[in-house]
Amino acid sequence: EAEVAQSPRYKITEKSQAVAFWCDPISGHATLYWYRQILGQGPELLVQFQDESVVDDSQLPKDRFSAERLKGVDSTLKIQPAELGDSAMYLCASSLVPSVTQYFGPGTRLLVL
Amino acid sequence: KNEVEQSPQNLTAQEGEFITINCSYSVGISALHWLQQHPGGGIVSLFMLSSGKKKHGRLIATINIQEKHSSLHITASHPRDSAVYICAVGGETSGSRLTFGEGTQLTVNP
Repeated sequence: EAEVAQSPRYKITEKSQAVAFWCDPISGHATLYWYRQILGQGPELLVQFQDESVVDDSQLPKDRFSAERLKGVDSTLKIQPAELGDSAMYLCASSLVPSVTQYFGPGTRLLVL
Repeated sequence: KNEVEQSPQNLTAQEGEFITINCSYSVGISALHWLQQHPGGGIVSLFMLSSGKKKHGRLIATINIQEKHSSLHITASHPRDSAVYICAVGGETSGSRLTFGEGTQLTVNP
């Protein structure tokens, strides 16, 4: 069964360092989402792509976060510099088109020391 | 007040019990999703519904659009059902952006 792949699964970094997360959606899924989930809370959308275009990044802290999906397939989320408050689970999801079932990857758990 | 409220926050049950998790929302929606998150962090979509009722195995989801309320029921609960169950709604005006509840931690003891 096709799955959303994410790497790394775990990342420990020091504050002020740069970190990057990678996501490979299910083949053929045009819509890709990055979420941040703080422990004990529900996920929060950071950015949504439709193919290679950003359609919603209103909740992305653009002073330190960036996301790209250059060829409309896999995507990278970067944080530079990382802050203590960025410690969270970063989830990637994909769907065929918007407004249908989203399929989630296993997530990347980030710890900033 | 959060747009999506779940209750209870934590639920402990004995194996075999019938379980209900509730979700209330305050905005107009296009669809409501129930998701399951296991301790490792991965999320699985259980249901997406915009009206009525859906059933899959021992899981049943219902939604009342007029009352802005949904319930997730688990019949004959089993320890492997232990997980966080999250309700999420897709807003009418925000396209496919989902707004998530904070989740209900379910523990089923043998």
